[in-house]
Amino acid sequence: GAGVSQSPSNKVTEKGKDVELRCDPISGHTALYWYRQSLGQGLEFLIYFQGNSAPDKSGLPSDRFSAERTGGSVSTLTIQRTQQEDSAVYLCASSFRVAGGSGANVLTFGAGSRLTVL
Amino acid sequence: DAKTTQPPSMDCAEGRAANLPCNHSTISGNEYVYWYRQIHSQGPQYIIHGLKNNETNEMASLIITEDRKSSTLILPHATLRDTAVYYCIVGGATNKLIFGTGTLLAVQP
Repeated sequence: GAGVSQSPSNKVTEKGKDVELRCDPISGHTALYWYRQSLGQGLEFLIYFQGNSAPDKSGLPSDRFSAERTGGSVSTLTIQRTQQEDSAVYLCASSFRVAGGSGANVLTFGAGSRLTVL
Repeated sequence: DAKTTQPPSMDCAEGRAANLPCNHSTISGNEYVYWYRQIHSQGPQYIIHGLKNNETNEMASLIITEDRKSSTLILPHATLRDTAVYYCIVGGATNKLIFGTGTLLAVQP
């Protein structure tokens, strides 16, 4: 598609369950980002994939959070044993980045996946 | 941590220019200044970016001071649909982009 697609758009789960959130980036984009936005807050960086390089996981809040990017395209963010504080909108973004390139890094965001943990 | 400082909120009259300031005093020589906005319940939307020179596109103008320590985003004729949170971000070519809390611009009729 023309934009970044995220699914599901809304997910309600019970505390302790695992959830998977999916991101389909723009075709050809080499970089992919996950952010989290709690109600009324700014964007919190979670993880960043760039081409075949090791991902930057420095923003993941705990070991219950993990993400992978298969084939350099689709990414899945997994939250294990969800807690109520995990409730937020999870935003995915992609950009075209050349490894070692010096140009600007313009992100295109998806509409987000709203997670509610009861 | 965010590398920018923005006022938490601003008002602007419809039809007037909205001038949103941003301080980025620790910006490095190879870091760009980016502006995004987030309309309620939507994902952030890219507006404009610049390195050293002022930039203009169909959405806005970006004025960067000569020392690059601050910038201003200008919406020349604000409309009610421009009400949003505006984020100013600095980042290098490969750095992850860290968003701060932004400025909530309220365009008043």
